[in-house]
Amino acid sequence: DAKTTQPNSMESNEEEPVHLPCNHSTISGTDYIHWYRQLPSQGPEYVIHGLTSNVNNRMASLAIAEDRKSSTLILHRATLRDAAVYYCIRGSNYQLIWGAGTKLIIKP
Amino acid sequence: DSGVTQTPKHLITATGQRVTLRCSPRSGDLSVYWYQQSLDQGLQFLIQYYNGEERAKGNILERFSAQQFPDLHSELNLSSLELGDSALYFCASSVSLERGVTDTQYFGPGTRLTVL
Repeated sequence: DAKTTQPNSMESNEEEPVHLPCNHSTISGTDYIHWYRQLPSQGPEYVIHGLTSNVNNRMASLAIAEDRKSSTLILHRATLRDAAVYYCIRGSNYQLIWGAGTKLIIKP
Repeated sequence: DSGVTQTPKHLITATGQRVTLRCSPRSGDLSVYWYQQSLDQGLQFLIQYYNGEERAKGNILERFSAQQFPDLHSELNLSSLELGDSALYFCASSVSLERGVTDTQYFGPGTRLTVL
């Protein structure tokens, strides 16, 4: 199963927007895109998911490219508490197929 | 707090031994998932149970087995342990909706297994 591709790490300043990219060029038409994050020493937590349309929730926004080969997680105003590893995941039927994630570093 | 509990939090054992990890899902969740996370790696899906039955299998070794009990808690059994089995083991649960929709998974705090 093809995994997603993300940058190993990214840095951002506190209180600025953050755009985390993800490539999933081999995704099938019925696979969802999920984002989870893992704070230090914790289990992963759900952030957002979508299929074709852009999605918004209280934590973040998800922008999915029209061809569905890439997506971007947007944190509108990053805080120090958002420092975590962010995973872009292909959801296929009942399984989540995890990549290596992007370590997001927030600078005060 | 996700509502998913895992015990024990830490486990230290020797090569060749057998251990059991326990997971209690969120109230009302019928699916339980097990994952392995080695140092600085992403999560590897091991196995999923739904209402007591195995639903999906990932990269789970033959030395590993799991089950889900009638009260919906689950146990992951690891036997003939090797040094390379040292990792964080996470359990997650979900409501499990109809086929074709991937559920949101809620993760426990994990069990850190160290094999010496």
